[in-house]
Amino acid sequence: AQSVTQPDIHITVSEGASLELRCNYSYGATPYLFWYVQSPGQGLQLLLKYFSGDTLVQGIKGFEAEFKRSQSSFNLRKPSVHWSDAAEYFCAVAWTGGFKTIFGAGTRLFVKA
Amino acid sequence: NAGVTQTPKFRILKIGQSMTLQCAQDMNHNYMYWYRQDPGMGLKLIYYSVGAGITDKGEVPNGYNVSRSTTEDFPLRLELAAPSQTSVYFCASRPRDRDGETQYFGPGTRLLVL
Repeated sequence: AQSVTQPDIHITVSEGASLELRCNYSYGATPYLFWYVQSPGQGLQLLLKYFSGDTLVQGIKGFEAEFKRSQSSFNLRKPSVHWSDAAEYFCAVAWTGGFKTIFGAGTRLFVKA
Repeated sequence: NAGVTQTPKFRILKIGQSMTLQCAQDMNHNYMYWYRQDPGMGLKLIYYSVGAGITDKGEVPNGYNVSRSTTEDFPLRLELAAPSQTSVYFCASRPRDRDGETQYFGPGTRLLVL
């Protein structure tokens, strides 16, 4: 069965430090991959997505993610974190012709001054 | 363009009461979804719809019902509310044609069952 794993429940980084959030998926073919962000009390907002082509994808708010087929991973990165990045981040997977999207359990990011 | 709207934002129910969570989208999306979000559990799919008149169960449909009489609206009905249904509920939609299966989310309804 398809699944998405985010191994880190929460991460704390200092403001200005770099960030990497991990995501692994289980699926036979190349899926569509997403990162969503959820600020407190808000719905989910799309950060970026990967369908095909260049495996390094740029998103909003200075985020990027890299698809590595050999590792079944789609890790999210940001070179310098801002306090406003504190939120919960969800990795998600969908596939061609499918109706559903599978979400990971989420990683909560804390940013310390 | 309001996107996906949900009402109410917050509700307290007593055990055994019923209610309907409203969801509407103005983007003419064919696909609509209801999720519940519990702490540390991510999003669990309750029901989804691929068009007016067509609905199907997701991972956790027990205790819920849906209908889809129009493209715009996708209400979620809770019958005989139970404490286990305390959660945050999100509605989402996406177009049928290839938008990369990106889903657009509403702001959520926080439900407390006491």
